[in-house]
Amino acid sequence: KAGVTQTPRYLIKTRGQQVTLSCSPISGHRSVSWYQQTPGQGLQFLFEYFSETQRNKGNFPGRFSGRQFSNSRSEMNVSTLELGDSALYLCASSPGQGSSGYTFGSGTRLTVV
Amino acid sequence: QKEVEQNSGPLSVPEGAIASLNCTYSDRGSQSFFWYRQYSGKSPELIMFIYSNGDKEDGRFTAQLNKASQYVSLLIRDSQPSDSATYLCAVNRRTSYDKVIFGPGTSLSVIP
Repeated sequence: KAGVTQTPRYLIKTRGQQVTLSCSPISGHRSVSWYQQTPGQGLQFLFEYFSETQRNKGNFPGRFSGRQFSNSRSEMNVSTLELGDSALYLCASSPGQGSSGYTFGSGTRLTVV
Repeated sequence: QKEVEQNSGPLSVPEGAIASLNCTYSDRGSQSFFWYRQYSGKSPELIMFIYSNGDKEDGRFTAQLNKASQYVSLLIRDSQPSDSATYLCAVNRRTSYDKVIFGPGTSLSVIP
């Protein structure tokens, strides 16, 4: 059974640019959650999608957005990048009905210079 | 008050000892509780989850939940050097969908 696939693995962007990250969940999983992980803040919840609908959103500015497609694949977008957006972005897949736990992807390491 | 709190550590235990990792949470309505392990440079991986008060055992791991005290713990028996990692406590505040909040993690070092 294929795991959670995140692309790209690494990104270097310049301040002010925008970036799109992709996540393909485990087959049959309908929920995709996104987290930002930094050494200082740990894992911070960004948002959760289920059946193409955003069900939850964390406390991040509107520059952070996402969507989910009918095949459950999800993308997140960060516009007007800031240095502080440098982080590991993790996608987590679950069946979505009162989770029995996540399976995480390998993450996308974003560096903003 | 943070939603999920853990001692940051590092916690050091000798090989073969019991490692005890603790977590408290603020939302009394929280429904499910998880422990993840994260090796340096890797993604978190689920160790176990618990929903009901009491103990739940899986191999060398035991999760303990006390909802009245808003407290979750993870015991690792016969600790091995390969258990050296950061352990993340996570809490799902809802039953019907996922809004999982993670604690900051506790770094565990098992000394051979």
